[in-house]
Amino acid sequence: EAGVTQSPTHLIKTRGQQATLRCSPISGHTSVYWYQQALGLGLQFLLWYDEGEERNRGNFPPRFSGRQFPNYSSELNVNALELEDSALYLCASGRWSTGNYGYTFGSGTRLTVV
Amino acid sequence: GQQLNQSPQSMFIQEGEDVSMNCTSSSIFNTWLWYKQDPGEGPVLLIALYKAGELTSNGRLTAQFGITRKDSFLNISASIPSDVGIYFCAGPEYGQNFVFGPGTRLSVLP
Repeated sequence: EAGVTQSPTHLIKTRGQQATLRCSPISGHTSVYWYQQALGLGLQFLLWYDEGEERNRGNFPPRFSGRQFPNYSSELNVNALELEDSALYLCASGRWSTGNYGYTFGSGTRLTVV
Repeated sequence: GQQLNQSPQSMFIQEGEDVSMNCTSSSIFNTWLWYKQDPGEGPVLLIALYKAGELTSNGRLTAQFGITRKDSFLNISASIPSDVGIYFCAGPEYGQNFVFGPGTRLSVLP
């Protein structure tokens, strides 16, 4: 079974630009979650998508947005990039059948804003 | 939102020693998850706990769901170098998305 796939693995952008990060969930998983992990820090919840809809949003400004496609893959868009947006962005997918909780994470996209 | 605290923040141990770490919440949880993150990688699920008092093992790892439902514990027995990493606890917020603790960074000295 293929795991959660994220692309690109690394991304370098200039302040003010836009970044688009992509995530393909594990087959059969309908939920996708995005987290931000700044260097040396914990995981901060960004967004949760399920069945194509945004279900919950963390405490981030509106310039962080995303969407989920019919095949359950997802995009995270970050507009008007700021230096402090530099972080590892992790995507996770999940399936909420009985007794099968917990996410499976991808390896992340390392975003560097210069 | 809900807040999780983990202790210790970091620990240095000798290879072969046992490790204990814990996680506390400001709210009652019905699920606790423990993840490990290696450098440059995404976190990997180690153990999931679903019931207060539950004790679950995964090899040398044992985790417990606290009776109060506001805490959880992770123990690693006979540590080895590959145990190095950051250990995160997580609990559900608003149903199906999880909030993570700040992590315990484990270093194993040979």
